[in-house]
Amino acid sequence: QVQLQESGPGLVKPSETLSLTCTISGGSISSYLWNWIRQPPGKGLEWIGYIYYSGTTNYNPSLKSRVTISTDTSKNQFSLKLGSVTAADTAVYYCARKYGFNWHFDYWGQGILVTVSS
Amino acid sequence: DIQLTQSPSFLSASVRDRVTITCRASQGINNYLAWYQQKPGKAPKVLIYAASTLQSGVPSRFSGSGSGTEFTLTISSLQPEDFATYYCQQVNSYPQTFGQGTKLEIK
Repeated sequence: QVQLQESGPGLVKPSETLSLTCTISGGSISSYLWNWIRQPPGKGLEWIGYIYYSGTTNYNPSLKSRVTISTDTSKNQFSLKLGSVTAADTAVYYCARKYGFNWHFDYWGQGILVTVSS
Repeated sequence: DIQLTQSPSFLSASVRDRVTITCRASQGINNYLAWYQQKPGKAPKVLIYAASTLQSGVPSRFSGSGSGTEFTLTISSLQPEDFATYYCQQVNSYPQTFGQGTKLEIK
């Protein structure tokens, strides 16, 4: 059974960079699209971007200038960096897997709350 | 971006009721639509994909239909564990977007 687990700081200061890692267990990082999605408290879901195991990325244009997603295949992990954060970036951040480009998210992490505050 | 509008945003219903949630897309998305259920403090869970295909392990009281720009999620007989928030998601084009959610509450 594939399991995903987000990790990283729960508090980030304004203007700094948010950094999160998703660790994959029970399966390989190969052959799937690995995504980040976020959900501000009490609000809906926003797709941030994905990385294919080969390294190809695709980001939401609304965040593209501030986002980098990368993989560490040796550790079966992928990571999110979001720069120049503001209070509007406060959200639960989820990592999730897609089988293909027009596929749904079939496995999700439990989510991690990241608060942007000084 | 493709906009998805769910209706209603809030729904109050009783156990054993039949309920339907609608998701309308701002442009045609073929059948590239998924439905998720989210309970408080938990990650969303996929119920339906490709508009009408039931995810393995999901009870058969859940069903989906539609194509193009209008889609529906139907729960044939509500159970206590079904009270949650439901989201549609289009997977036709990037950025992939979600509806604003429908919160299903106990009457």
